Amino acid sequence: DTGVSQDPRHKITKRGQNVTFRCDPISEHNRLYWYRQTLGQGPEFLTYFQNEAQLEKSRLLSDRFSAERPKGSFSTLEIQRTEQGDSAMYLCASSKDRGRGGEGYTFGSGTRLTVV
Amino acid sequence: RKEVEQDPGPFNVPEGATVAFNCTYSNSASQSFFWYRQDCRKEPKLLMSVYSSGNEDGRFTAQLNRASQYISLLIRDSKLSDSATYLCAEADSSYKLIFGSGTRLLVRP
Repeated sequence: DTGVSQDPRHKITKRGQNVTFRCDPISEHNRLYWYRQTLGQGPEFLTYFQNEAQLEKSRLLSDRFSAERPKGSFSTLEIQRTEQGDSAMYLCASSKDRGRGGEGYTFGSGTRLTVV
Repeated sequence: RKEVEQDPGPFNVPEGATVAFNCTYSNSASQSFFWYRQDCRKEPKLLMSVYSSGNEDGRFTAQLNRASQYISLLIRDSKLSDSATYLCAEADSSYKLIFGSGTRLLVRP
């Protein structure tokens, strides 16, 4: 296991289309997080899972966004009816339990979304 | 007010300089703090955790001041390769990380 994997790396879509991103966490990590990062800003929390349970969703996650982690392994983030304001880097991260003890998170390389 | 605030910089320093960044947080109940390094168009990578007693790793020293609710990162003997954006983060009550906007560091020859 080489780390957190995200697919695709880049996605260009037309406004109004739906897109889906995938994240494969480190295998022994039971927590999985989705963040969004725009230029000049830090990562903004979207949602997180502990195993298959989605425990928290940010107010940033409008009803056009949905995330799943059906078997507690990989996760998908879907954006419906994309808008230009959705253009950003979508980062996935994973941690073992709460990531205490100095472990923090491990991030994937991100999916860069451009809505045209 | 943002939960975690950082000076965006950029900090432009010569090689060999010592540079320090501060980051303030608003949640006095926050338990864990971290510094991440992010290179342009790359993912953040954990640089170091910030312990109550302070933490040192080579040229990097992190400190936590709970009374004033800030954390700091000191980089000694700056290298060109230290040029990056430095993100501070706090773990909230559910241990999800809340990030600052980042401080950009440019180390010049």
